[in-house]
Amino acid sequence: EAGVTQFPSHSVIEKGQTVTLRCDPISGHDNLYWYRRVMGKEIKFLLHFVKESKQDESGMPNNRFLAERTGGTYSTLKVQPAELEDSGVYFCASSQERVTGELFFGEGSRLTVL
Amino acid sequence: QQQVKQSPQSLIVQKGGISIINCAYENTAFDYFPWYQQFPGKGPALLIAIRPDVSEKKEGRFTISFNKSAKQFSLHIMDSQPGDSATYFCAASRRGATNKLIFGTGTLLAVQP
Repeated sequence: EAGVTQFPSHSVIEKGQTVTLRCDPISGHDNLYWYRRVMGKEIKFLLHFVKESKQDESGMPNNRFLAERTGGTYSTLKVQPAELEDSGVYFCASSQERVTGELFFGEGSRLTVL
Repeated sequence: QQQVKQSPQSLIVQKGGISIINCAYENTAFDYFPWYQQFPGKGPALLIAIRPDVSEKKEGRFTISFNKSAKQFSLHIMDSQPGDSATYFCAASRRGATNKLIFGTGTLLAVQP
Protein backbone atom coordinates (compact mmCIF):
# COMPACT_ATOMS: atom_id res chain seq x y z
CA GLU A 1 0.00 0.00 0.00
CA ALA A 2 1.36 3.40 -0.96
CA GLY A 3 2.06 5.85 1.82
CA VAL A 4 1.48 9.57 1.84
CA THR A 5 3.25 11.12 -1.11
CA GLN A 6 4.27 14.73 -1.49
CA PHE A 7 5.50 16.73 -4.44
CA PRO A 8 7.87 18.42 -4.98
CA SER A 9 10.43 17.16 -2.52
CA HIS A 10 12.31 20.44 -2.73
CA SER A 11 11.41 23.79 -4.20
CA VAL A 12 13.61 26.87 -4.41
CA ILE A 13 11.86 30.11 -5.34
CA GLU A 14 12.44 33.83 -5.18
CA LYS A 15 10.60 36.02 -2.72
CA GLY A 16 7.32 37.13 -4.25
CA GLN A 17 6.88 34.05 -6.40
CA THR A 18 4.18 31.41 -6.06
CA VAL A 19 4.62 27.79 -5.11
CA THR A 20 2.10 24.97 -4.98
CA LEU A 21 2.73 21.87 -2.92
CA ARG A 22 0.80 18.70 -3.49
CA CYS A 23 -0.12 15.85 -1.17
CA ASP A 24 -1.65 12.50 -1.99
CA PRO A 25 -2.90 10.84 1.19
CA ILE A 26 -3.18 7.13 1.81
CA SER A 27 -6.14 5.80 -0.14
CA GLY A 28 -9.27 5.77 1.97
CA HIS A 29 -8.02 8.28 4.52
CA ASP A 30 -10.63 10.99 4.87
CA ASN A 31 -8.52 13.08 7.23
CA LEU A 32 -5.68 15.07 5.77
CA TYR A 33 -3.40 17.43 7.66
CA TRP A 34 -0.75 19.95 6.77
CA TYR A 35 2.08 20.69 9.17
CA ARG A 36 5.20 22.82 8.81
CA ARG A 37 8.61 22.78 10.41
CA VAL A 38 10.67 25.93 10.22
CA MET A 39 14.36 25.13 10.65
CA GLY A 40 15.25 23.99 14.14
CA LYS A 41 11.81 24.62 15.53
CA GLU A 42 8.79 22.50 16.32
CA ILE A 43 6.52 20.95 13.74
CA LYS A 44 3.42 23.15 13.69
CA PHE A 45 -0.12 22.31 12.69
CA LEU A 46 -1.48 24.29 9.76
CA LEU A 47 -4.85 22.79 8.92
CA HIS A 48 -7.07 19.73 8.80
CA PHE A 49 -9.38 18.50 6.06
CA VAL A 50 -12.13 15.96 6.47
CA LYS A 51 -12.77 14.82 2.94
CA GLU A 52 -13.03 18.08 1.00
CA SER A 53 -14.07 20.27 3.94
CA LYS A 54 -11.73 22.35 6.04
CA GLN A 55 -12.28 21.17 9.59
CA ASP A 56 -9.72 23.37 11.26
CA GLU A 57 -7.49 25.97 9.66
CA SER A 58 -6.45 27.73 12.83
CA GLY A 59 -2.76 27.16 12.16
CA MET A 60 -2.59 28.84 8.77
CA PRO A 61 -0.13 31.74 9.16
CA ASN A 62 -1.90 34.31 6.98
CA ASN A 63 -3.92 34.76 3.83
CA ARG A 64 -0.94 34.14 1.59
CA PHE A 65 -1.54 30.46 2.23
CA LEU A 66 -4.37 28.66 0.46
CA ALA A 67 -5.14 24.98 0.90
CA GLU A 68 -7.58 23.00 -1.17
CA ARG A 69 -8.76 19.43 -1.36
CA THR A 70 -11.08 19.18 -4.29
CA GLY A 71 -13.02 15.93 -4.44
CA GLY A 72 -11.66 14.83 -1.11
CA THR A 73 -8.61 13.13 -2.58
CA TYR A 74 -5.32 14.95 -3.01
CA SER A 75 -4.64 18.33 -1.49
CA THR A 76 -2.66 21.37 -2.58
CA LEU A 77 -1.10 24.10 -0.50
CA LYS A 78 -0.36 27.30 -2.38
CA VAL A 79 1.84 30.07 -1.05
CA GLN A 80 1.36 33.36 -2.90
CA PRO A 81 3.39 35.52 -2.73
CA ALA A 82 6.12 33.66 -0.88
CA GLU A 83 8.14 35.43 1.81
CA LEU A 84 11.50 34.51 3.32
CA GLU A 85 9.89 33.30 6.55
CA ASP A 86 7.87 30.74 4.63
CA SER A 87 10.99 28.62 4.19
CA GLY A 88 10.76 25.27 5.92
CA VAL A 89 9.58 21.72 5.46
CA TYR A 90 5.91 21.24 4.79
CA PHE A 91 4.56 17.89 5.91
CA CYS A 92 1.31 16.32 4.88
CA ALA A 93 -0.23 13.59 6.99
CA SER A 94 -3.34 11.50 6.77
CA SER A 95 -5.40 9.27 9.01
CA GLN A 96 -8.42 7.09 8.66
CA GLU A 97 -10.05 8.36 11.84
CA ARG A 98 -9.88 11.77 13.48
CA VAL A 99 -9.20 10.53 16.96
CA THR A 100 -7.04 7.44 16.61
CA GLY A 101 -3.90 9.38 17.19
CA GLU A 102 -1.79 7.79 14.50
CA LEU A 103 -0.88 10.15 11.74
CA PHE A 104 0.92 8.86 8.66
CA PHE A 105 3.30 11.50 7.43
CA GLY A 106 4.74 12.05 4.01
CA GLU A 107 8.42 12.76 3.50
CA GLY A 108 7.79 16.47 3.31
CA SER A 109 8.30 19.24 0.78
CA ARG A 110 11.24 21.47 1.57
CA LEU A 111 10.58 25.07 0.53
CA THR A 112 13.44 27.53 0.25
CA VAL A 113 12.53 31.15 -0.41
CA LEU A 114 15.46 33.34 -1.47
CA GLN B 1 4.66 30.39 23.55
CA GLN B 2 5.84 26.85 23.24
CA GLN B 3 3.25 24.49 24.69
CA VAL B 4 5.48 21.40 24.70
CA LYS B 5 9.08 21.85 25.76
CA GLN B 6 11.57 19.18 24.77
CA SER B 7 15.12 18.53 25.90
CA PRO B 8 17.89 17.96 25.14
CA GLN B 9 18.23 19.40 21.65
CA SER B 10 20.80 16.75 20.79
CA LEU B 11 22.09 13.62 22.44
CA ILE B 12 25.04 11.30 21.88
CA VAL B 13 24.87 7.84 23.39
CA GLN B 14 27.14 4.85 23.12
CA LYS B 15 25.79 1.65 21.66
CA GLY B 16 24.09 -0.35 24.38
CA GLY B 17 23.46 2.68 26.54
CA ILE B 18 20.16 4.27 27.59
CA SER B 19 18.84 7.30 25.72
CA ILE B 20 16.52 9.59 27.65
CA ILE B 21 14.54 12.47 26.15
CA ASN B 22 12.32 14.66 28.26
CA CYS B 23 9.23 16.72 27.54
CA ALA B 24 7.10 19.03 29.65
CA TYR B 25 3.72 20.57 28.98
CA GLU B 26 1.46 23.17 30.57
CA ASN B 27 -2.00 22.52 29.20
CA THR B 28 -3.88 20.12 31.48
CA ALA B 29 -6.40 19.52 28.70
CA PHE B 30 -3.84 17.41 26.85
CA ASP B 31 -4.74 13.76 27.05
CA TYR B 32 -2.64 12.06 24.38
CA PHE B 33 1.14 12.01 24.30
CA PRO B 34 2.86 10.35 21.34
CA TRP B 35 6.49 10.14 20.35
CA TYR B 36 7.43 10.32 16.69
CA GLN B 37 10.69 9.13 15.15
CA GLN B 38 12.09 10.74 12.02
CA PHE B 39 14.98 9.46 9.94
CA PRO B 40 16.80 11.81 7.53
CA GLY B 41 14.79 12.42 4.38
CA LYS B 42 11.72 10.70 5.78
CA GLY B 43 8.59 11.91 7.48
CA PRO B 44 7.93 11.45 11.20
CA ALA B 45 6.51 8.06 12.13
CA LEU B 46 4.62 7.15 15.28
CA LEU B 47 6.88 5.27 17.66
CA ILE B 48 4.88 4.92 20.87
CA ALA B 49 2.11 6.82 22.62
CA ILE B 50 0.54 7.08 26.07
CA ARG B 51 -2.60 8.46 27.64
CA PRO B 52 -2.56 9.94 31.16
CA ASP B 53 -4.42 7.08 32.81
CA VAL B 54 -1.17 5.09 33.00
CA SER B 55 2.27 6.10 34.22
CA GLU B 56 4.33 3.93 31.93
CA LYS B 57 4.09 2.18 28.59
CA LYS B 58 6.67 -0.14 27.16
CA GLU B 59 7.08 -1.45 23.63
CA GLY B 60 10.22 -3.45 23.11
CA ARG B 61 13.22 -1.27 23.92
CA PHE B 62 11.11 1.91 24.01
CA THR B 63 9.38 3.12 27.18
CA ILE B 64 7.34 6.22 27.91
CA SER B 65 7.28 7.39 31.51
CA PHE B 66 4.48 9.79 32.35
CA ASN B 67 4.19 12.02 35.43
CA LYS B 68 0.80 13.69 35.41
CA SER B 69 1.34 15.81 38.52
CA ALA B 70 4.60 17.19 37.19
CA LYS B 71 3.21 17.50 33.65
CA GLN B 72 6.22 15.71 32.26
CA PHE B 73 6.81 12.69 30.11
CA SER B 74 9.93 11.06 28.81
CA LEU B 75 11.13 8.53 26.27
CA HIS B 76 13.66 5.92 27.32
CA ILE B 77 15.46 3.85 24.71
CA MET B 78 17.13 0.85 26.29
CA ASP B 79 20.12 -0.86 24.71
CA SER B 80 20.41 1.96 22.16
CA GLN B 81 21.57 0.89 18.71
CA PRO B 82 23.12 2.85 15.82
CA GLY B 83 19.89 2.21 13.91
CA ASP B 84 18.07 4.28 16.53
CA SER B 85 19.95 7.38 15.37
CA ALA B 86 17.19 9.77 14.30
CA THR B 87 15.28 12.86 15.40
CA TYR B 88 12.68 12.22 18.07
CA PHE B 89 9.68 14.47 18.61
CA CYS B 90 7.37 14.41 21.57
CA ALA B 91 3.88 15.73 21.05
CA ALA B 92 0.60 16.29 22.82
CA SER B 93 -3.01 16.79 21.86
CA ARG B 94 -6.38 17.44 23.41
CA ARG B 95 -9.34 15.15 23.74
CA GLY B 96 -11.47 15.34 20.61
CA ALA B 97 -8.60 16.73 18.57
CA THR B 98 -6.19 13.87 18.92
CA ASN B 99 -4.57 14.34 15.55
CA LYS B 100 -4.02 18.07 16.00
CA LEU B 101 -0.62 17.47 17.49
CA ILE B 102 1.48 20.05 19.27
CA PHE B 103 5.09 19.02 18.86
CA GLY B 104 8.24 19.65 20.79
CA THR B 105 11.28 21.01 18.98
CA GLY B 106 12.87 17.61 18.48
CA THR B 107 15.96 15.80 19.77
CA LEU B 108 18.66 14.63 17.41
CA LEU B 109 19.93 11.32 18.75
CA ALA B 110 23.24 9.84 17.61
CA VAL B 111 24.13 6.37 18.83
CA GLN B 112 27.82 5.69 18.40
CA PRO B 113 28.96 2.15 17.59
